[in-house]
Amino acid sequence: DAGITQSPRHKVTETGTPVTLRCHQTENHRYMYWYRQDPGHGLRLIHYSYGVKDTDKGEVSDGYSVSRSKTEDFLLTLESATSSQTSVYFCAISEDRRSYNEQFFGPGTRLTVL
Amino acid sequence: DQQVKQNSPSLSVQEGRISILNCDYTNSMFDYFLWYKKYPAEGPTFLISISSIKDKNEDGRFTVFLNKSAKHLSLHIVPSQPGDSAVYFCAASARGYSTLTFGKGTMLLVSP
Repeated sequence: DAGITQSPRHKVTETGTPVTLRCHQTENHRYMYWYRQDPGHGLRLIHYSYGVKDTDKGEVSDGYSVSRSKTEDFLLTLESATSSQTSVYFCAISEDRRSYNEQFFGPGTRLTVL
Repeated sequence: DQQVKQNSPSLSVQEGRISILNCDYTNSMFDYFLWYKKYPAEGPTFLISISSIKDKNEDGRFTVFLNKSAKHLSLHIVPSQPGDSAVYFCAASARGYSTLTFGKGTMLLVSP
């Protein structure tokens, strides 16, 4: 299994509070991704990173920001959590291979915003 | 606008029989396709992939077929086992892009 950890694994917070989720990899992969999974929506890309300090928006980026100061860490921040951000969040990584793009996923973080 | 569609939310199959999961796509730029399996409370795990230069790729009990003209791919599991019960996601990628587009998933239930 790819070395990907996510922390925390579970979090309950209140509306309006800031929340930061962490993804840590030991594979030295260039690309890192944040997804959310919701019933009826599958996996939707929030933000991704193609290198240290290089990030871009995904399909559902509103209300989220990211940072990547080291190759191994990719942080997802909800500046002011809302109930609509209750979800399961997955981090993924992939190597820089131009011929294909397999991504490997972490175990997920279940976030509940009350 | 959904670019990757899995139109069957669920599928029930008996152990030992074939499971066929379907996926359609609309973006002609997609040239690499993947299937992921997801168990509850775990992250998705990569299962099998296929490049657009092929029409079939096989790995043990799992075979993926690609019909480019119909923009359709399918995952065949033969024989199905109870441990295959999971949500299966179809995903697609375009050359030069580092992101994947996922379908909504199909929940497969294999009964003994």
